[in-house]
Amino acid sequence: NAGVTQTPKFRVLKTGQSMTLLCAQDMNHEYMYWYRQDPGMGLRLIHYSVGEGTTAKGEVPDGYNVSRLKKQNFLLGLESAAPSQTSVYFCASSYSTGTGDNEQFFGPGTRLTVL
Amino acid sequence: AQSVSQHNHHVILSEAASLELGCNYSYGGTVNLFWYVQYPGQHLQLLLKYFSGDPLVKGIKGFEAEFIKSKFSFNLRKPSVQWSDTAEYFCAVNTGGFKTIFGAGTRLFVKA
Repeated sequence: NAGVTQTPKFRVLKTGQSMTLLCAQDMNHEYMYWYRQDPGMGLRLIHYSVGEGTTAKGEVPDGYNVSRLKKQNFLLGLESAAPSQTSVYFCASSYSTGTGDNEQFFGPGTRLTVL
Repeated sequence: AQSVSQHNHHVILSEAASLELGCNYSYGGTVNLFWYVQYPGQHLQLLLKYFSGDPLVKGIKGFEAEFIKSKFSFNLRKPSVQWSDTAEYFCAVNTGGFKTIFGAGTRLFVKA
């Protein structure tokens, strides 16, 4: 099992450019998440999905969009990148227990720099 | 709003020293508690978790954490650290919904 994979691993964008980050999991998890990690701020939830075809906003959703067309994939889009979106992006997935006692499995991260 | 506080942002220890990393959360109801670790260049992985039962939980690599409900705390401990424990440690709390709240992280550096 590959677990949670993310592509690309690194990306440099210019302000105003767009891009899509791809997350894939092979564990048949219902829940998937996108986080950004910034120094001193830990992980902040951008968007999440509780199943195929459903998405919801997290703590810092502005400037991002997501889609979950297939259960195993969760895409994060930046329509018009800004320097404030320079960060490391982590995707995660988990089982759906309904009670919150679900360990999250993380991908290796994508380091994005916006110039 | 729910929040998680990790008191130490940076900790430097010598090998064989004891470790305690503080974690406090703000929520009055039932919680699920986690410690995740991120080794240099690697992704986050679960170190240990508490859902119910014995408030002293043991995780991988000799780590343990104690849930003290009256203090809203879930501190991480290890009696004797090794150089290979150098990593960033994140405390996280889930109150039963879809979202898990992470603390800001504590960077631990262990001197050989």
